[in-house]
Amino acid sequence: DGGITQSPKYLFRKEGQNVTLSCEQNLNHDAMYWYRQDPGQGLRLIYYSQIVNDFQKGDIAEGYSVSREKKESFPLTVTSAQKNPTAFYLCASSTAALNTEAFFGQGTRLTVV
Amino acid sequence: QKEVEQDPGPLSVPEGAIVSLNCTYSNSAFQYFMWYRQYSRKGPELLMYTYSSGNKEDGRFTAQVDKSSKYISLFIRDSQPSDSATYLCAMSAGNTGKLIFGQGTTLQVKP
Repeated sequence: DGGITQSPKYLFRKEGQNVTLSCEQNLNHDAMYWYRQDPGQGLRLIYYSQIVNDFQKGDIAEGYSVSREKKESFPLTVTSAQKNPTAFYLCASSTAALNTEAFFGQGTRLTVV
Repeated sequence: QKEVEQDPGPLSVPEGAIVSLNCTYSNSAFQYFMWYRQYSRKGPELLMYTYSSGNKEDGRFTAQVDKSSKYISLFIRDSQPSDSATYLCAMSAGNTGKLIFGQGTTLQVKP
């Protein structure tokens, strides 16, 4: 089955810890994206990557980091510098920059305890 | 002012009703317009994709884009309880790598 897989589905983090969210796709898409969703605010772009070994900051990149060492994988690290990390995180991919259909994973819900 | 504005609702309608969901935007460079449907605690799935102005129909769903008014709409005919979800509009200026989303409208279709 082709698609995007995010793991874990639920993640709990203690304050001051870094955590990494996984995103893998087998759609052979060049572009991958991370969004954050909070109630009543839609989706906000954290980072995006249009090609392997290259990525750009989105609108809310502070406190997050990413890597794109493989075409299939785009992990997101939520660092201790992110002051309000509790949210629903969504990974997406598309064939090119976002003027074409973007496919989303099922999301990771991160909670700081 | 946000680049994309969407009434968050919630919107509650009886089964069989025609539903109209709307978004306004401020960036005249937007050319690609999409509607996503998101069920609770799931990732969004693409419903409709349109380029520039005009209408596009797919089954019970019709998407309209009016670039002169910076206004897009999604119409759902013969709404079903299974249509109950959050609907997100999204738009892009093209090869910029950024897809801007509205806040999402929560729709409930009552049997």
